[in-house]
Amino acid sequence: NAGVTQTPKFQVLKTGQSMTLQCAQDMNHEYMSWYRQDPGMGLRLIHYSVGAGITDQGEVPNGYNVSRSTTEDFPLRLLSAAPSQTSVYFCASTQGWQGIGEQYFGPGTRLTVT
Amino acid sequence: GENVEQHPSTLSVQEGDSAVIKCTYSDSASNYFPWYKQELGKRPQLIIDIRSNVGEKKDQRIAVTLNKTAKHFSLHITETQPEDSAVYFCAVYYGKLTFGQGTILTVHP
Repeated sequence: NAGVTQTPKFQVLKTGQSMTLQCAQDMNHEYMSWYRQDPGMGLRLIHYSVGAGITDQGEVPNGYNVSRSTTEDFPLRLLSAAPSQTSVYFCASTQGWQGIGEQYFGPGTRLTVT
Repeated sequence: GENVEQHPSTLSVQEGDSAVIKCTYSDSASNYFPWYKQELGKRPQLIIDIRSNVGEKKDQRIAVTLNKTAKHFSLHITETQPEDSAVYFCAVYYGKLTFGQGTILTVHP
């Protein structure tokens, strides 16, 4: 199993550009989530999904959209990038019911917005 | 929403000493409390977790204790080793996970 994969590993955007961060898992996990990690602020939940077709907002959803058309994929879209979105983004999936249980994190995407 | 406070933000110990990191939370309905370790440049990985119906859990040199009445839980690492140096995050679950701000643990040989 590849586990949780994320692409790209690194990305530089100009203010106002849009892009999609890809996340995929091959463990048949129902629960998936996106976090951003900034220095001194831990991991903050952006959006999460308890299964295909169901998404919900986390702590910091503004400026981001998600969709979950399949169990495997959970892409994160930045609609109009801003310097405040410079961060490391982690996707994670969980086998447990409703997200209770070990979160398997992807390798992360380091995003810089200039 | 849930509010999670983690202390200390940095912790420096000598090899062989014990390390304790504490987290407090606000929502008494929270029912799952994991701890993650993140080495520099790597992804977070689960090291231990506890459910709300359990007061303590141990796994070799690592233990977690939960005080539901006081709404706090702690990570205990005994006989620390240099490879324990990392950032440690607590998290609290009630519908979704909320993470603490992290503790940078440095173990000096």
